[in-house]
Amino acid sequence: SAVISQKPSRDICQRGTSLTIQCQVDSQVTMMFWYRQQPGQSLTLIATANQGSEATYESGFVIDKFPISRPNLTFSTLTVSNMSPEDSSIYLCSVDRTSGTNEQFFGPGTRLTVL
Amino acid sequence: AQSVTQLGSHVSVSEGALVLLRCNYSSSVPPYLFWYVQYPNQGLQLLLKYTSAATLVKGINGFEAEFKKSETSFHLTKPSAHMSDAAEYFCAVSWSGNTGKLIFGQGTTLQVKP
Repeated sequence: SAVISQKPSRDICQRGTSLTIQCQVDSQVTMMFWYRQQPGQSLTLIATANQGSEATYESGFVIDKFPISRPNLTFSTLTVSNMSPEDSSIYLCSVDRTSGTNEQFFGPGTRLTVL
Repeated sequence: AQSVTQLGSHVSVSEGALVLLRCNYSSSVPPYLFWYVQYPNQGLQLLLKYTSAATLVKGINGFEAEFKKSETSFHLTKPSAHMSDAAEYFCAVSWSGNTGKLIFGQGTTLQVKP
């Protein structure tokens, strides 16, 4: 398994501002993922972040809105830019540490409320 | 395209009764299948996974799931529900060579009545 922490655990932000969410893993991993879980909804993949390369974004998500950094093999950040109330969600990071089975371990999530 | 459908957004059972949460998948390649549980205000925890070994998979907390290729199903069961099983359950699919991406079903809320 993996121990994953996220900061902040929750935040309340004003419309038009930006928030950076941090994800720290207790060991080196190649692949990290960022998901969004809107209220009462399932998880939707935002992007895949590999160290040393640009993040790969899913359809409907763009780098200008959700810039991602991956400076090393244990850390990543997701920024939610120019926020609106529609961005109110839980944001989760996850890692894949298995050998080819795609099993992912999830962080506790960051609960974001935009007023 | 690969997808996951969970039948029933809410399932209610009595304590001690059988739990059955349904998951059907669509995949053009051999899938990896997962069940995750999310307790209130927490992240996701892996219950069990199917990765092309035994078709009957046993997980944590007494849960198990059976992979049925002919029915494209991966239903989650538990013989006797506990109050502590009340949570949100997600079925997810992945496959070899897809860069690790997971596609989640819509989720099923399990309510356990005393």
